[in-house]
Amino acid sequence: QSALTQPASVSGSPGQSITISCTGTSTDVGGSNFVSWYQQHPGKAPKLMIYDVSKRPSGVSNRFSGSKSGNTASLTISGLQAEDEADYYCSSYTSSSTWVFGGGTKLTVL
Amino acid sequence: QVQLVESGGGVVQPGGSLRLSCIASGFTFSSYGMHWVRQAPGKGLEWVTFVRDDGINKYYADSVKGRFTISRDNSKNTLYVQMNSLRTEDTAVYYCAKGGISIDYWGQGTLVTVSS
Repeated sequence: QSALTQPASVSGSPGQSITISCTGTSTDVGGSNFVSWYQQHPGKAPKLMIYDVSKRPSGVSNRFSGSKSGNTASLTISGLQAEDEADYYCSSYTSSSTWVFGGGTKLTVL
Repeated sequence: QVQLVESGGGVVQPGGSLRLSCIASGFTFSSYGMHWVRQAPGKGLEWVTFVRDDGINKYYADSVKGRFTISRDNSKNTLYVQMNSLRTEDTAVYYCAKGGISIDYWGQGTLVTVSS
């Protein structure tokens, strides 16, 4: 149950697009259609942004999108806004019927 | 609206026990699987345990297997986790979270500190 690999930090200017990667193995990301992404502001609970690799919950901006290729999933945020500054975590269901999270990525909006 | 309210956190000595509770409202509790996820201070999220809607099938992270037990009372809309043989590395905010394969709602968390 090793954590999924995410970059520790990414940054972008308002209006730009950024992509956060999430790399696992064939037993989790690569073999699962159940990859989720969560946004967490300091001192707050996480919020679901993307589920089932690329689906957006009701109420989440369409500036957020998800995709997957092989063992790597990605979260793209377009038209960066100041309120997007937060920590982002990916998660995958695994072949062992467990769940695993990524180490988290701190997004800074310059 | 979905609400998940955790309680039961506190300070406990290594080797001690604690039971966390999570009261759910705003949805049909008995129809959904439920998770506990934790976050050590300044660290990332770690999945801990999951129980299916009927309370029968349960799954655990290797780090807590044999020490933690998840359970639920669908008549009381309440989720529990019994934590035994606690270690300093179990210190974290524990979140109750709704969902089957995908977690869609989280509580605000309760802090568990394991320290002598």
